[in-house]
Amino acid sequence: QKEVEQDPGPLSVPEGAIVSLNCTYSNSAFQYFMWYRQYSRKGPELLMYTYSSGNKEDGRFTAQVDKSSKYISLFIRDSQPSDSATYLCAMSFNNAGNMLTFGGGTRLMVKP
Amino acid sequence: EPEVTQTPSHQVTQMGQEVILRCVPISNHLYFYWYRQILGQKVEFLVSFYNNEISEKSEIFDDQFSVERPDGSNFTLKIRSTKLEDSAMYFCASRRREGLETQYFGPGTRLLVL
Repeated sequence: QKEVEQDPGPLSVPEGAIVSLNCTYSNSAFQYFMWYRQYSRKGPELLMYTYSSGNKEDGRFTAQVDKSSKYISLFIRDSQPSDSATYLCAMSFNNAGNMLTFGGGTRLMVKP
Repeated sequence: EPEVTQTPSHQVTQMGQEVILRCVPISNHLYFYWYRQILGQKVEFLVSFYNNEISEKSEIFDDQFSVERPDGSNFTLKIRSTKLEDSAMYFCASRRREGLETQYFGPGTRLLVL
């Protein structure tokens, strides 16, 4: 079983739709959860960061963590064509080195 | 807003040659990382660096790889004898301090080994 799994998509939605992106993971030792956005041939850009279970909201983005189910989600409200990108979930353990383990990414296309 | 910068943006080299990839982390950050992403694959951790020493490394980071912080601003990744399979996008990342876990990534260096 892979450590972090994401549906690769592509996920195609009309402008204004609510988007739900998800990751599952197998290692219950992960403590920190992040969502990055990556445009084609660019570096990952940090969108959201959460620690432990619960919700966190930032503008149109909401991150949700359910550690009991080993499942994290990113919701995008009122999606825009500029949101079209690959969304990567990443997670880390509670240690000093803090290496990130990434999912494979979900490609999102928001059509005008 | 401060950013992680990387040079060069693209590097083409012959198999067996040495390459050095350069990064300038965000100035008040203390933890530094290298990741790579082979085309179409996941972003993979290579190495983390703190207080002038490696704190963690992956299986990918073998004896052909080394990292250095030669001065107060640069952070480099050296590949001594490149292989075809080293062709990838290499990302540098930095983090401010322990207890704040967010890592900020640079734009990457695309390395092509021929």
